[in-house]
Amino acid sequence: KQEVTQIPAALSVPEGENLVLNCSFTDSAIYNLQWFRQDPGKGLTSLLLIQSSQREQTSGRLNASLDKSSGRSTLYIAASQPGDSATYLCAPRTSGTYKYIFGTGTRLKVLA
Amino acid sequence: GAVVSQHPSRVICKSGTSVKIECRSLDFQATTMFWYRQFPKQSLMLMATSNEGSKATYEQGVEKDKFLINHASLTLSTLTVTSAHPEDSSFYICSALGTSGLNEQFFGPGTRLTVL
Repeated sequence: KQEVTQIPAALSVPEGENLVLNCSFTDSAIYNLQWFRQDPGKGLTSLLLIQSSQREQTSGRLNASLDKSSGRSTLYIAASQPGDSATYLCAPRTSGTYKYIFGTGTRLKVLA
Repeated sequence: GAVVSQHPSRVICKSGTSVKIECRSLDFQATTMFWYRQFPKQSLMLMATSNEGSKATYEQGVEKDKFLINHASLTLSTLTVTSAHPEDSSFYICSALGTSGLNEQFFGPGTRLTVL
């Protein structure tokens, strides 16, 4: 059974810092992995999707890497801004299914 | 493109009543949709996989008679919480499987259910 852990659970940083959010998963047989952002009381916004054959994906100030064999993914946020404050969730998709298993999330607060 | 809507966004009901939540894919057809539940300060838990024209597949521990799922068309899935109780109060989010080769899931904005 896939289990997904995200570290740290919460993070508070001053504006402008570069950040690394970590995600680990127990079953490396994944099809892809998505990183999402969730604002309080809202739905999910997809940030990046990495296929199992890829090592990283970039979108603007965001870079996500994937090391499938070790069961790890990281989300790098460059030059953080107060608008980046949200909960960040990673979700690997199990191979052979369409199921995404969500991590516990990292609550990020970027201070102005 | 790839927009998923949910209706209603918020609902408050009395204990014992039933509540229906709709999930629509607005600009694409989705043969597969998913229903998740999220309790406060917790992550999303998959409840069931909804396939157009067939019965939903429920995750272990989810009562299929309590959470009725209907996926009658390629753009609409509904979740009905029957005989709702306060412990069913939660944030319900649906997603739809995209039709591109990436098989990306697109999420709705969620429905906040409060059962009094």
